[in-house]
Amino acid sequence: SQKIEQNSEALNIQEGKTATLTCNYTNYSPAYLQWYRQDPGRGPVFLLLIRENEKEKRKERLKVTFDTTLKQSLFHITASQPADSATYLCALEGGSQGNLIFGKGTKLSVKP
Amino acid sequence: EPEVTQTPSHQVTQMGQEVILRCVPISNHLYFYWYRQILGQKVEFLVSFYNNEISEKSEIFDDQFSVERPDGSNFTLKIRSTKLEDSAMYFCASRYQEIYYEQYFGPGTRLTVT
Repeated sequence: SQKIEQNSEALNIQEGKTATLTCNYTNYSPAYLQWYRQDPGRGPVFLLLIRENEKEKRKERLKVTFDTTLKQSLFHITASQPADSATYLCALEGGSQGNLIFGKGTKLSVKP
Repeated sequence: EPEVTQTPSHQVTQMGQEVILRCVPISNHLYFYWYRQILGQKVEFLVSFYNNEISEKSEIFDDQFSVERPDGSNFTLKIRSTKLEDSAMYFCASRYQEIYYEQYFGPGTRLTVT
């Protein structure tokens, strides 16, 4: 069955450093992959979408890579700030109607 | 900026009771979804809705669940006879087009079944 793994449950880094989060998947060939941010008690908020034919996507301090051979996506936040502290979710399409399958998420804490 | 809204923000109900969770998706979106998240666990897909009918549903979405779009704006999730294990955050989401478009999630309804 399809499986999505976000390797780290938690990641602690110092302000100003680059945070790198990993998403691996198996038994799956997604056409695209998405990253969301979730704050406690709130709904996921879309950050970036990358298609299977794109290697890299950037938005301000965020960068996503997508390696369909390794079946892996990396999510980077450069010059991290305490306000970046949240849980980051990797999501893949789960069916023909666009429903999403989410990973468990990585909780990022950025210390000042 | 347009957003998805959900009501109520918190619902407490007794086991066996019916609950209706309400959502107002973004107005020009075409695809609608319900997800749930049990405390400390991942976000799970329940059902997708398009063109006034269910287009896909997960194993979680059994006969106790139903969805409806009674008018042009509201989208509801009904749980007929709630169980303790239905306690979770329920998120509504909408999407403009099916492929290559992000989903917009509402703030969620926290359902507590006692």
